Amino acid sequence: KAGVTQTPRYLIKTRGQQVTLSCSPISGHRSVSWYQQTPGQGLQFLFEYFSETQRNKGNFPGRFSGRQFSNSRSEMNVSTLELGDSALYLCASARTSGSPEQFFGPGTRLTVL
Amino acid sequence: KNEVEQSPQNLTAQEGEFITINCSYSVGISALHWLQQHPGGGIVSLFMLSSGKKKHGRLIATINIQEKHSSLHITASHPRDSAVYICAVRWGNQFYFGTGTSLTVIP
Repeated sequence: KAGVTQTPRYLIKTRGQQVTLSCSPISGHRSVSWYQQTPGQGLQFLFEYFSETQRNKGNFPGRFSGRQFSNSRSEMNVSTLELGDSALYLCASARTSGSPEQFFGPGTRLTVL
Repeated sequence: KNEVEQSPQNLTAQEGEFITINCSYSVGISALHWLQQHPGGGIVSLFMLSSGKKKHGRLIATINIQEKHSSLHITASHPRDSAVYICAVRWGNQFYFGTGTSLTVIP
């Protein structure tokens, strides 16, 4: 069974631009969570989607948004990029919302110049 | 105050040494995870624990629910164990992460 895939793997943007990242969960998994990892803050929870609905949201500004499609694939969008948004963005899939077991993707490394 | 505290932050060991990484948490949990992250970023889930002890090869994870503490042990460490080890707890519908322990095993 294929694992969690994320595209693109690397991305370079400039301040003020917006970016969209994609995550395809493991087949049969309906929950997708997004995380930001930076050297200073470590891993932080962004949000979780289940059945096309946002179930939970971490403490991030409204510039960070996401959505989930009927096939469970998810996208996250960051608008008006700031230098501090440079990070590794990881998504993880699970069978259901609230499932304690998650499977992580390889991440998208975003660099904002 | 972080909900999840890990120690040590950095650890260097000689090949073959027994290694222990500790994790303390302050929230109620439904599960605790030990994650491994190699350079390059990909995260692998090593263990998911809600009680007791689990063993996989040279890795052992224990959890004490009453004391809100978990340990990850690596026996007979090897250079390929060099990675960042992250403790994460699931509380409600969110994950809280420790800052990670960077382990370097020297041949």
